[in-house]
Amino acid sequence: EVQLVESGGGLVQPGGSLTLSCAASGFTFRNYEMNWVRQAPGKGLEWISYIRHGGTNIYYAASVKGRFTISRDDAKDSLYLQMSGLRAEDTAVYFCARDGFHYYGLDLWGQGTTVTVSS
Amino acid sequence: QSPLTQPPSASGSPGQSVTISCTGTYSDVGGYNYVSWYQQYPGKAPKLIIYEVIKRPSGVPDRFSGSKSGNTASLTVSGLQAEDEADYYCSSYARNNNFFGTGTRVTVL
Repeated sequence: EVQLVESGGGLVQPGGSLTLSCAASGFTFRNYEMNWVRQAPGKGLEWISYIRHGGTNIYYAASVKGRFTISRDDAKDSLYLQMSGLRAEDTAVYFCARDGFHYYGLDLWGQGTTVTVSS
Repeated sequence: QSPLTQPPSASGSPGQSVTISCTGTYSDVGGYNYVSWYQQYPGKAPKLIIYEVIKRPSGVPDRFSGSKSGNTASLTVSGLQAEDEADYYCSSYARNNNFFGTGTRVTVL
């Protein structure tokens, strides 16, 4: 089955760190560009990071730049998001999402993992 | 960075059509034919329904259509059905960025 499964969410104190993982299966992961998108409780979607296949290009939203790091391990079919300096406003469901193959659009999403930043 | 602007809500009766606008700038919506639309049910992951302004992924009903004029993109849902009641988000590529719209809740009356 073609799917993405996120893990690693949880409760963390302000200023703390957390690493999210996204396991891909059912497709050739190394051929696809990947993204992280988040959704705060009751709010809309926010794109936060992108990584090209091979990791050659990486981009971040201004809201997380310098605090979050996206990476991938194609040998393990996995995508990661290292988060540090966490703030209350980072509380959200975090989705990993796949870019379409040679087209623009996020065509495959995971179910999401919840990150709560609170003391 | 500012999200793209969508109306907070839209509604229609079964069988009617509803159109949702998505307004950006010349740097995002107006500058690229890279607008996509997503449908999201409460508590679920978003689903891609339109990509590159007008294209539909396999399996998406042709009741969903997209268009763009200048800095505004639009999603039209024709022949509304009960299962179309959901949140809809537009998204646009911008140079080294990707912006989502503010979201529109579609209600089927």
